[in-house]
Amino acid sequence: DTGVSQDPRHKITKRGQNVTFRCDPISEHNRLYWYRQTLGQGPEFLTYFQNEAQLEKSRLLSDRFSAERPKGSFSTLEIQRTEQGDSAMYLCASRPLPGLVPSSYNEQFFGPGTRLTVL
Amino acid sequence: GDSVTQMEGPVTLSEEAFLTINCTYTATGYPSLFWYVQYPGEGLQLLLKATKADDKGSNKGFEATYRKETTSFHLEKGSVQVSDSAVYFCALRITQGGSEKLVFGKGTKLTVNP
Repeated sequence: DTGVSQDPRHKITKRGQNVTFRCDPISEHNRLYWYRQTLGQGPEFLTYFQNEAQLEKSRLLSDRFSAERPKGSFSTLEIQRTEQGDSAMYLCASRPLPGLVPSSYNEQFFGPGTRLTVL
Repeated sequence: GDSVTQMEGPVTLSEEAFLTINCTYTATGYPSLFWYVQYPGEGLQLLLKATKADDKGSNKGFEATYRKETTSFHLEKGSVQVSDSAVYFCALRITQGGSEKLVFGKGTKLTVNP
């Protein structure tokens, strides 16, 4: 399977603990995005990388959140001192640079998500 | 700011019924518009898109036309199947300088009964 993969698929943690999620994008996709989806809502943008550079961070990404993409391939999203309000599905997506593939494939492809439950 | 409003669900239809899910948007400039679908237990999948006014996106029998004058991108299908049961999200893409992101609506859950 050459799609976007995320690990773990589910995470249950206690309030105050730190958690880290991993996203492996489609090979050779330069752009990588993180979104958060709460129950009954659409995904909300968190942050965006082009290669290893983090180009934008949403105001939703508080100081407790940090994302990295050190080698321009996989990415990690860490949440420190988790709170119950952090419970959500965390989605990763990747996209190739425009012009490298036909336009029909030049969009964001999403992974299955990591469901976080903070008790 | 930029936003997407889509019709509240859930929507329940019988097989072979006609489907419309309304979507309107607010955006500066000329965004690209998308419909994504999320089947139970799976990730978001791109269903169709349109990148400029009057473009029609289509896939798997679904269609949507980019209407700039009404800032709308309604999803339609002439005859739904049980396998179309899923949550459908309308989205727009904002590209500004070096930034790019999708803004999603809240989603509309569709259930198709045999």
